[in-house]
Amino acid sequence: RKEVEQDPGPFNVPEGATVAFNCTYSNSASQSFFWYRQDCRKEPKLLMSVYSSGNEDGRFTAQLNRASQYISLLIRDSKLSDSATYLCVVTGGDYGGSQGNLIFGKGTKLSVKP
Amino acid sequence: EAQVTQNPRYLITVTGKKLTVTCSQNMNHEYMSWYRQDPGLGLRQIYYSMNVEVTDKGDVPEGYKVSRKEKRNFPLILESPSPNQTSLYFCASSRQGTIPYEQYFGPGTRLTVT
Repeated sequence: RKEVEQDPGPFNVPEGATVAFNCTYSNSASQSFFWYRQDCRKEPKLLMSVYSSGNEDGRFTAQLNRASQYISLLIRDSKLSDSATYLCVVTGGDYGGSQGNLIFGKGTKLSVKP
Repeated sequence: EAQVTQNPRYLITVTGKKLTVTCSQNMNHEYMSWYRQDPGLGLRQIYYSMNVEVTDKGDVPEGYKVSRKEKRNFPLILESPSPNQTSLYFCASSRQGTIPYEQYFGPGTRLTVT
């Protein structure tokens, strides 16, 4: 069974803190990895894709460890506006049509306090 | 404005009464997908379509049908709704290549089946 596991949180942190989210996935054939952000009662939006070499976008850094089937997201200098649920997303299969099968983690809730 | 639209946004219906939730995108995306989101279970993929006339089951397809006769539209059909299909439904679209691209989500449809 294909699964994506995340710590549900909530993570309650003060402004300016650094916070790390972790995600593990069960399907070793998965090829693509993403972090999405979802605000309360809103649709998910892409935060960043995760590349094998790791990638950074401003205060956000994503890492992938294929051997351990582990993905991480680091948020530095957290802002009040970072409060949201962060969803780890993994493709369900290898190259080809099954790349359209996306598996979402249940999400980790982040609350940044003043 | 580039967007994914869903209709209706809210629907209360009774068990067994066929319904259709429409999804339309104006970005000329090849890929479209339907998800349901339930508390404690996260987002789960129902069906996806890699292009016109090409559809595949996601992880929870039972009780649902889809069709992709035109590129822009991907309706979700519940032939005989049951209370366990009460959920928040999201439609999404993206460009399609050898790897999945950013998915753009619609605003969601909140369905209650009594």
